[in-house]
Amino acid sequence: GAGVSQTPSNKVTEKGKYVELRCDPISGHTALYWYRQSLGQGPEFLIYFQGTGAADDSGLPNDRFFAVRPEGSVSTLKIQRTERGDSAVYLCASSRGTGSYEQYFGPGTRLTVT
Amino acid sequence: TQLLEQSPQFLSIQEGENLTVYCNSSSVFSSLQWYRQEPGEGPVLLVTVVTGGEVKKLKRLTFQFGDARKDSSLHITAAQPGDTGLYLCAGLPRAEKLVFGKGTKLTVNP
Repeated sequence: GAGVSQTPSNKVTEKGKYVELRCDPISGHTALYWYRQSLGQGPEFLIYFQGTGAADDSGLPNDRFFAVRPEGSVSTLKIQRTERGDSAVYLCASSRGTGSYEQYFGPGTRLTVT
Repeated sequence: TQLLEQSPQFLSIQEGENLTVYCNSSSVFSSLQWYRQEPGEGPVLLVTVVTGGEVKKLKRLTFQFGDARKDSSLHITAAQPGDTGLYLCAGLPRAEKLVFGKGTKLTVNP
């Protein structure tokens, strides 16, 4: 079946603008994760959803970042008042649910803030 | 904060050589995973090790989890150009929250 898909694959925006990044998880996967990967770094955890609710949002860097998953499937990561330091690859992953060790990653969205 | 240190950061070898990549932490993890990531793609899970001292083999790749569950290694035998990529270790304080190292960028030259 289809893997995790993310759109757009690339996003260039100006400092101060608002952006939305979308993640479509594997069908049937109840858990969804967002990570951020800066150049030369490993992925950094942002937020985890189990179903529709954010079970752990401790990785969100500040209140400019927000994520939703209203129907328990597709998720949107929203960044307000973007800053140049937000430039990174934003990765989404999904898994079968709580306690599942295997997360399946999408290809990521490369965000560039100019 | 639980940190994972990977070494070396970069590794360039010739086809047919053997190599070992290390992942170390001062913290204990319930389990640890190794991923491989290629440019423009997300990480792909290679293995999960759960028990201290555990050794897992995946064709030419051998993974070991330290007895104290603080460190791990990945050994590749007779490396091939197709092994080129970024190798990431990730600790699991719990299943829902991966903590990644910075990765080892491996290049295998033909």
